[in-house]
Amino acid sequence: EAGVAQSPRYKIIEKRQSVAFWCNPISGHATLYWYQQILGQGPKLLIQFQNNGVVDDSQLPKDRFSAERLKGVDSTLKIQPAKLEDSAVYLCASSTRLAVYNEQFFGPGTRLTVL
Amino acid sequence: GIQVEQSPPDLILQEGANSTLRCNFSDSVNNLQWFHQNPWGQLINLFYIPSGTKQNGRLSATTVATERYSLLYISSSQTTDSGVYFCAVLISSGSARQLTFGSGTQLTVLP
Repeated sequence: EAGVAQSPRYKIIEKRQSVAFWCNPISGHATLYWYQQILGQGPKLLIQFQNNGVVDDSQLPKDRFSAERLKGVDSTLKIQPAKLEDSAVYLCASSTRLAVYNEQFFGPGTRLTVL
Repeated sequence: GIQVEQSPPDLILQEGANSTLRCNFSDSVNNLQWFHQNPWGQLINLFYIPSGTKQNGRLSATTVATERYSLLYISSSQTTDSGVYFCAVLISSGSARQLTFGSGTQLTVLP
């Protein structure tokens, strides 16, 4: 079974530029998550989708971050405009359903550097 | 919100040694997962363990939910065990299913 796929793996941009990350979850996983991991810290949830609907985006900085999952499969996370403090690894995860006992499985991440 | 504390923050072992990593959490949780983040940043699932004990090869984990802690045991450590070990707890609020991570234990296994 293929794991969670993410691209690109690395991205370097200058502040105030825009950037987009892509995620394809494990086949059949209805729930998709985006996390931000700053160096030296654990990942922090940004947004959670159930199929193509947003379940929780309370920690997403909506003035600059947006995410969509239009067809309920793959997802895109965008930052516009980027700030220096957005430098981090962006991790995508998926799980089978919304039930509390479902494991989350993570992709390899996209490492973003903002100069 | 819930607090997740891991100890020790750093651990250096000689190959072949055993170790115990601890995760304390401040409130009741719906589930708990242990992850290994390898040097390339990939988070690898080790255990899904809301309660009880599980074993997988040289690794085992125990969660005592009533006392709000979990332990990860690594026996006969190998250099490939190096990396950061995270525990993460899940709390549900309505439909939200947020994993809250601890700050991790950085493990270095020396040859």
